[in-house]
Amino acid sequence: TQLLEQSPQFLSIQEGENLTVYCNSSSVFSSLQWYRQEPGEGPVLLVTVVTGGEVKKLKRLTFQFGDARKDSSLHITAAQPGDTGLYLCAGPSRGAQKLVFGQGTRLTINP
Amino acid sequence: NAGVMQNPRHLVRRRGQEARLRCSPMKGHSHVYWYRQLPEEGLKFMVYLQKENIIDESGMPKERFSAEFPKEGPSILRIQQVVRGDSAAYFCASSSTGGAGNEQFFGPGTRLTVL
Repeated sequence: TQLLEQSPQFLSIQEGENLTVYCNSSSVFSSLQWYRQEPGEGPVLLVTVVTGGEVKKLKRLTFQFGDARKDSSLHITAAQPGDTGLYLCAGPSRGAQKLVFGQGTRLTINP
Repeated sequence: NAGVMQNPRHLVRRRGQEARLRCSPMKGHSHVYWYRQLPEEGLKFMVYLQKENIIDESGMPKERFSAEFPKEGPSILRIQQVVRGDSAAYFCASSSTGGAGNEQFFGPGTRLTVL
């Protein structure tokens, strides 16, 4: 069974600080996706990383896929209160038509 | 709005009643996935359907739960004789082609509360 572990589970920081959240597995994934979910809403796809070592940027968010395609990180520069939410990583389960999700990182940015 | 639509957004049922959750995929998408999310947890896969076919139901409990995606109309997730442990948020996602490697887009979810 492929598992994704996210860390930290909870993170509360002040506006303007930088942060990194991690998504790790002992299994290789063909791709990994990052979603953000706000209370009472569904997950919204932020990015998909496919190639080992790939780096993608989305404004102040930087996503990296590990060289071995077993892990990924999300770095936020100069965090804003609007970045508050639950960040989920997910990857396709090998040989099956489903996404495996990490348990999420709940991020709170304090003004 | 061509996004994934789910209704109702909130559903309250008493133990033993039936719950029906509906999902209309994005326009042009013929692949539907249902996931369940417990508080402070990630999403857990339940079932994957194409029009009129269940492709993978490995994540769905064998009893009381069923899903369909008819030729016409939305996909339905049906829970019979609900119990308190069924209380959760149920999300539907759709994709344009099959397989989890294709990007899935999620609806806003149905929050089921069993009293």
